[in-house]
Amino acid sequence: SQKIEQNSEALNIQEGKTATLTCNYTNYSPAYLQWYRQDPGRGPVFLLLIRENEKEKRKERLKVTFDTTLKQSLFHITASQPADSATYLCALAASTDSWGKLQFGAGTQVVVTP
Amino acid sequence: DTAVSQTPKYLVTQMGNDKSIKCEQNLGHDTMYWYKQDSKKFLKIMFSYNNKELIINETVPNRFSPKSPDKAHLNLHINSLELGDSAVYFCASSRAAGLAVYNEQFFGPGTRLTVL
Repeated sequence: SQKIEQNSEALNIQEGKTATLTCNYTNYSPAYLQWYRQDPGRGPVFLLLIRENEKEKRKERLKVTFDTTLKQSLFHITASQPADSATYLCALAASTDSWGKLQFGAGTQVVVTP
Repeated sequence: DTAVSQTPKYLVTQMGNDKSIKCEQNLGHDTMYWYKQDSKKFLKIMFSYNNKELIINETVPNRFSPKSPDKAHLNLHINSLELGDSAVYFCASSRAAGLAVYNEQFFGPGTRLTVL
């Protein structure tokens, strides 16, 4: 069955360091992958999208990589700040099943301490 | 201005009742979605409408019925509520979905449903 795995343990990181989150998937050939941020009691907010033929995408202090051979995406927050503390979700859209249907991982909580 | 809004934010009700959650988006998007986020935080798609037409209908009990009166609104009606329906329900919207279309989704604030 299709599976998306994100590290369930919270990532505790010191301000200024780089946070790296992983998203692994199995039995998928995703057309693209998205990353969202979710704060407690709020809806997810879109951050970045990367397509299957792209290796890397950047937006300000965020960087996403996509390795379809390893079936993995890495999400980096450089120069992390306490305001980056949140849960980060990866979401995949299967190649053969589009119409905007996304499958989400359970998310990884990031805690940035001053 | 709120992009995607949902009402109510909290809903506490008894088992067996029927309830509705409303969603509206003012982004001019063609596609709207309903998701369920359970206690383990998994966000699962339930339904999607594209320009008032149902395009995604996941394996959801038929007690759940979506309705889209126009492309800016997507409501969710739940009959005969059960304990297991307790969750946070999110509405989302995106520009027209379709094959090979890569669109971000904009989520509402969520409705926390508690069934007693």
